Amino acid sequence: QVQLQQWGAGLLKPSETLSLTCAVYGGSFSGSYWSWIRQPPGKGLEWIGEINHTGSTSYNPSLESRVTISLDTSKNQFSLKLTSVTAADTAVYYCARKPYCSGGKCYWFDPWGQGTQVTVSS
Amino acid sequence: SSELTQDPAVSVALGQTVRITCQGDSLRNYYANWYQQKPRQAPILVIFAKNNRPSGIPDRFSGSSSGNTASLTITGAQAEDEADYYCHSRDSSYNSHLIFGGGTKLTVL
Repeated sequence: QVQLQQWGAGLLKPSETLSLTCAVYGGSFSGSYWSWIRQPPGKGLEWIGEINHTGSTSYNPSLESRVTISLDTSKNQFSLKLTSVTAADTAVYYCARKPYCSGGKCYWFDPWGQGTQVTVSS
Repeated sequence: SSELTQDPAVSVALGQTVRITCQGDSLRNYYANWYQQKPRQAPILVIFAKNNRPSGIPDRFSGSSSGNTASLTITGAQAEDEADYYCHSRDSSYNSHLIFGGGTKLTVL
């Protein structure tokens, strides 16, 4: 059973780069998409983007200019970088797995990482 | 891009049935998934691909859809079902992109 464990810096200043990593345990990188999702305080969920085992990525258009998702298959880890952060990027960030099915018919997130609180403040 | 709309809050008496709805144009073409989130916890998947339950999810949770509306039904709500519920689907404008509803806070009275 796949489990995800994530970590990264929790306090950033405006204009800095957010960097988070998610480790995948109990499963292979192939056959899945690896995603990042965030939740601002008191608000709903926002999909940030995803990467598959070949390194192909897809990003939320609202964040695309600042986001990079990458993977390290040797460590079974994938990472999120978000540049030029502002207070609006303050949120709990989650990593999650989305299964791969032909034709893109599968697009649920399961499991999720435990979440990382990221606060942007001067 | 598309949007998914949920009622902000819904309440149900203990043991009764409650339906949580999600509306959006993308639901005419794409199914909804549903997540439960309790305070200070990560979301968990409760319904996927419209009406399938992951292992370990009680059978009182069910999903359905009609037209542009997807529904999550809890039959015989329990106190532990009090949580936020989010629907999730593809963006009909950019089908590689994924969108969430704003969430519904369920209170079990």
